[in-house]
Amino acid sequence: DIQMTQSPSSLSASIGDRVTITCRASQSISTSLNWYQQKPGKAPQLLIYAASSLLSGVPSRFSGSGSGTDFSLTIFSIQPEDFATYYCQQSSSSPLTFGPGTKVDIK
Amino acid sequence: EVQLVESGGGLVQPGRSLRLSCAASGFSFDNYAMYWVRQLPGKGLEWVSGISWNSGGIGYADSVQGRFTISRDNAKNSLYLEMKNLRAEDTALYYCVKGSRLSTGAENWFDRWGQGTLVTVSS
Repeated sequence: DIQMTQSPSSLSASIGDRVTITCRASQSISTSLNWYQQKPGKAPQLLIYAASSLLSGVPSRFSGSGSGTDFSLTIFSIQPEDFATYYCQQSSSSPLTFGPGTKVDIK
Repeated sequence: EVQLVESGGGLVQPGRSLRLSCAASGFSFDNYAMYWVRQLPGKGLEWVSGISWNSGGIGYADSVQGRFTISRDNAKNSLYLEMKNLRAEDTALYYCVKGSRLSTGAENWFDRWGQGTLVTVSS
């Protein structure tokens, strides 16, 4: 199975900050990497698929990049509604594994 | 609007069985793979099982292989998860999830999620 790691596990940010979360795969997954946002008490929501494609309706302040084993999710100018937990997930091979999550809260 | 509504969760004793259901609407159900993903209390996400559009491709996580059975009824726009010999470590919120492609496996992302149904395994 492909193992996914994320760093940091948590971070604190102020409104307007640029926030970057990294995700690493245990083996190359090309660009088969997706990002989800989960708010407390809610189901996860897809933000970015195929490493850098923004799902329709997701604000343009979200951006994904990377290929191979190293990926990142950047939130340019974080807004109050962006404080949540973010998960990466590889879709290169089954089982479709998730990273452990990065919790982003308000400083 | 895409809707996925899970049902069937509850409190069950170890070793017993439970059947989860998911009613789908707002999209062409028989054009997409479907999945079950679970979230342990306060923890991360774990893919449990997936089924292709025509049930021809099915996969399970090692942790549930041989105990859980996924199925779908395209005529009823419904997804199911039959869970047998439940263990305490199966306690989780179970999400019904829509895939992005016809088949399971590679290049699938989870583009719609239900709100989940809670399964608690305890004596």
